[in-house]
Amino acid sequence: IAGITQAPTSQILAAGRRMTLRCTQDMRHNAMYWYRQDLGLGLRLIHYSNTAGTTGKGEVPDGYSVSRANTDDFPLTLASAVPSQTSVYFCASSDSGDNNEQFFGPGTRLTVL
Amino acid sequence: GQNIDQPTEMTATEGAIVQINCTYQTSGFNGLFWYQQHAGEAPTFLSYNVLDGLEEKGRFSSFLSRSKGYSYLLLKELQMKDSASYLCAVQDSNYQLIWGAGTKLIIKP
Repeated sequence: IAGITQAPTSQILAAGRRMTLRCTQDMRHNAMYWYRQDLGLGLRLIHYSNTAGTTGKGEVPDGYSVSRANTDDFPLTLASAVPSQTSVYFCASSDSGDNNEQFFGPGTRLTVL
Repeated sequence: GQNIDQPTEMTATEGAIVQINCTYQTSGFNGLFWYQQHAGEAPTFLSYNVLDGLEEKGRFSSFLSRSKGYSYLLLKELQMKDSASYLCAVQDSNYQLIWGAGTKLIIKP
């Protein structure tokens, strides 16, 4: 692994189904983030984790949950998908500190029908 | 509320110079970032400003005025590969990034 990876690359999902998006980083970064990106809107923070064992809610957390059992992994779960969750999802990680440049994974394109 | 404004789209000519502006109103300020995002790809870091003034990095420069809530990204000697979206993001008092919607830059030969 080099950097930050996400799986799956893309997914089509029926409404009401449960889905977990995976994110793994090998940079030993403390902080990790989940964003969604929709056309015409900026990246919007869903959930974040400043360190293993802790998580926090971002701007648009409803319908999503996360866990941070270890430093490397930060999965995002949609408990019961709805069409409005159709989006591109990016996972990112950063070191602690003032200039916390975020490194992004390649993204997961999710379509909920 | 928190707000980041940048133009939706700009067009420039290969070899020319273009300036992409960003104005912001946020709860606290702990730095401003510029990212580049090619279509279908992830954002990648370009620059970080926390103090007023100009930061130069090769063909790209970024300027910040904290008193005016204003930044710009300057791209010189434009190349076709510079066609991308440019995202402005401000780090707020909680060290979270607040993102603008991005400026799509189209480079014409």
